[in-house]
Amino acid sequence: QVQLVQSGAEVKKPGASVKVSCKASGYTFSSYGINWVRQAPGQGLEWMGWISVYNGNTNYEQKLQGRITMTTDRSTSTAYMELRSLRSDDTAVYYCARGARALATDYFDYWGQGTLVTVSS
Amino acid sequence: DIQMTQSPSSVSAFVGDRVTITCRATQGISNWLVWYQQKPGKAPKLLIYAASILQSGVPSRFSGSGAGTDFTLTISSLQPEDFATYYCQQANSFPPTFGPGTKVHIK
Repeated sequence: QVQLVQSGAEVKKPGASVKVSCKASGYTFSSYGINWVRQAPGQGLEWMGWISVYNGNTNYEQKLQGRITMTTDRSTSTAYMELRSLRSDDTAVYYCARGARALATDYFDYWGQGTLVTVSS
Repeated sequence: DIQMTQSPSSVSAFVGDRVTITCRATQGISNWLVWYQQKPGKAPKLLIYAASILQSGVPSRFSGSGAGTDFTLTISSLQPEDFATYYCQQANSFPPTFGPGTKVHIK
């Protein structure tokens, strides 16, 4: 069965970076894109960006451009999301999610369990 | 970016009630509207895609309809496990965007 398993919770200081991993199993990793979605405490869902596992193409939410990098390692079926220059309003649960249609604009049929990133001095 | 709105923001209902949630897009999105269910502390779960197609394994009491800018999610007979927050999302135009959510409470 399809599974996305994310790395554990992180606590970071403002200005630091965080890198969250998402290990996929149960399907052909390169056939689908991976998206990242975050959810601040008590808030709704915010799409952050997409990476094509097939060719490495990325599209990021405009307001995160310059602070975010998404990568994949096809040898381990793992996707990564790095967010730099962290601020307190980056405190959120970060989810990876498989794109159902392998498109840059997609919907998400399988989700990781979420990774809480807390930014606090 | 296409903005998504949902109404109501919250609804209280009894087990067995019929519940309808509305989602509206600021521009036409064809039928590329998706619904998710999220329970506290859990990841969202895909319920419906392409406005009306039930994801595999989702109970038939869930249904979706609409096209263009106006969409609805209906739960025909609310069950205890359906108390959750429901989000719509448009998957037609970059970037994908979510509605603010509708919380379904127990009455």
